[in-house]
Amino acid sequence: NAGVTQTPKFQVLKTGQSMTLQCAQDMNHNSMYWYRQDPGMGLRLIYYSASEGTTDKGEVPNGYNVSRLNKREFSLRLESAAPSQTSVYFCASSDGLFQPQHFGDGTRLSIL
Amino acid sequence: RKEVEQDPGPFNVPEGATVAFNCTYSNSASQSFFWYRQDCRKEPKLLMSVYSSGNEDGRFTAQLNRASQYISLLIRDSKLSDSATYLCVVNLGTGNQFYFGTGTSLTVIP
Repeated sequence: NAGVTQTPKFQVLKTGQSMTLQCAQDMNHNSMYWYRQDPGMGLRLIYYSASEGTTDKGEVPNGYNVSRLNKREFSLRLESAAPSQTSVYFCASSDGLFQPQHFGDGTRLSIL
Repeated sequence: RKEVEQDPGPFNVPEGATVAFNCTYSNSASQSFFWYRQDCRKEPKLLMSVYSSGNEDGRFTAQLNRASQYISLLIRDSKLSDSATYLCVVNLGTGNQFYFGTGTSLTVIP
């Protein structure tokens, strides 16, 4: 039972490069989320998708875009990476907006 | 003011001890509450939901005090495997209002 799967697990980018973080869930959940976690800051919501076909901004959306490709998949794109985007990124899913979230094991991203 | 505040600790307790964490939240409209556990360099994992009447799961007890706007987690008979960071989570009922505390670090010492 895979749950929430994120790829890649680690990535190093140069400033200005672009990349897409992939997330897929096999729990038939409606809602999906992207967070970043920085030391001393806690988890902060970047974007979320309440259901297939919808996406909305979270607390820190600047510099990111998302795509809810289908019910299973929710990708996060950095168009022009900046050192301030160095972080650990977590994807999560839930059955609904009031329900607890289940997390993938994260992507550690460093931008030089 | 942060939406959710936790004492970062660290809490260092001997095996078998009882330890309690509190978490305060600022918005009285908060709808749902959870405790997560996060091990070093791992993802957060749901420990338990917190219900208005309080709830227990084995050695873990969670309580909600809406009047004072805090939730608590009590761990009895601490085990070495309980060493982790505990995150409280508050949801205001909309998708973009799911707030995580910065976590409380617990180390259980043999």
